[in-house]
Amino acid sequence: AQSVTQLDSHVSVSEGTPVLLRCNYSSSYSPSLFWYVQHPNKGLQLLLKYTSAATLVKGINGFEAEFKKSETSFHLTKPSAHMSDAAEYFCVVSDSSNTGKLIFGQGTTLQVKP
Amino acid sequence: SQTIHQWPATLVQPVGSPLSLECTVEGTSNPNLYWYRQAAGRGLQLLFYSVGIGQISSEVPQNLSASRPQDRQFILSSKKLLLSDSGFYLCAWSVAGGNQPQHFGDGTRLSIL
Repeated sequence: AQSVTQLDSHVSVSEGTPVLLRCNYSSSYSPSLFWYVQHPNKGLQLLLKYTSAATLVKGINGFEAEFKKSETSFHLTKPSAHMSDAAEYFCVVSDSSNTGKLIFGQGTTLQVKP
Repeated sequence: SQTIHQWPATLVQPVGSPLSLECTVEGTSNPNLYWYRQAAGRGLQLLFYSVGIGQISSEVPQNLSASRPQDRQFILSSKKLLLSDSGFYLCAWSVAGGNQPQHFGDGTRLSIL
């Protein structure tokens, strides 16, 4: 069965410093992986997706993630945090069925300090 | 381009009252549709999903039901709301099949008094 674990429930960085949000996954087959961002009282917005093409995936707003099969990781990074990046981030893996269901991590709250 | 509309944005209802939340998708055909609930400070819980008109799968037993009367319309309902039904409800769609991203509406904040 597929699962995803976000290793940090809360990450705090200063504006202009790098961001690292960690995610490990478990899958019995080659998965599709996604990162979503959620601002307060808003829906989830897709940041980026990995679907077995290039292992380094570039997303919106300067975010990128690297798929590392040997480490079963899909960490999200950004070189320089902006105040507007403060939000909840979800690492997500596709389930193995054709229903399109996704399995969500518990989320990481990113705080950006001025 | 595809868009998803979800309404209302906020709703305050008394315990025991009925509920109807509506979600519609534009710009695509035969999407998979999903209803989620997000409790305060917690992750997403999948409530229902649908792969076609009239086809509804329930993920957890509860006080809610879902219907898909048209290809791009998904409705979440309850006959009698409970206090525990409070939360943030999100509708999403995806292209049919697996391994696809889902695209979310802006959500409905439901408060039960």
